Amino acid sequence: AQSVTQLDSHVSVSEGTPVLLRCNYSSSYSPSLFWYVQHPNKGLQLLLKYTSAATLVKGINGFEAEFKKSETSFHLTKPSAHMSDAAEYFCVVSQNTGTASKLTFGTGTRLQVTL
Amino acid sequence: GAGVSQTPSNKVTEKGKYVELRCDPISGHTALYWYRQSLGQGPEFLIYFQGTGAADDSGLPNDRFFAVRPEGSVSTLKIQRTERGDSAVYLCASSGWGTSGNPRNEQFFGPGTRLTVL
Repeated sequence: AQSVTQLDSHVSVSEGTPVLLRCNYSSSYSPSLFWYVQHPNKGLQLLLKYTSAATLVKGINGFEAEFKKSETSFHLTKPSAHMSDAAEYFCVVSQNTGTASKLTFGTGTRLQVTL
Repeated sequence: GAGVSQTPSNKVTEKGKYVELRCDPISGHTALYWYRQSLGQGPEFLIYFQGTGAADDSGLPNDRFFAVRPEGSVSTLKIQRTERGDSAVYLCASSGWGTSGNPRNEQFFGPGTRLTVL
């Protein structure tokens, strides 16, 4: 079985300050991990993905995530928040089981960016 | 098309009615997924197609839900005897094959269909 836990349902930061969105995963196999972002009334957009290559993954819009197997974590960071980063963020785990590639989503973290 | 498209964008129906939700995947993508996102939750897997066949339908909540993909492209999610608890955003995603012969696990999502059952 696989699952992800997003440790914060809401995070609020000031524009220009760092962003940290926390995610822990549980997986019986070597996982693939993703972060998706969902802006209001928009579709889910892939930010970045980890698939057992480099443990530090760079994504779009300045976001990064580091895979730490010892801590079973995949936290999302950004050095400096922009107003346009305000959205819902989902940590996601996937397993290819030969015939399926189901994604299991966390419950989401709503990021608020204030002036 | 350029991305995954879903129609309608909004659907309001009455309890007990039948509804169909359509998904048009990215051209050339052989894998197609349906997810359901309830208010305040992350999306939950419903069913996955590889080509025309349903490879995994373990997420369908009950036998009122059914999906088809007769020509391996467009898919339709069908819900019979709708209930108020079916109200949610229904998301469709598609992906291509990797060189290993397994589906790529990077999925591209459509904007969703918001279903409201009164």
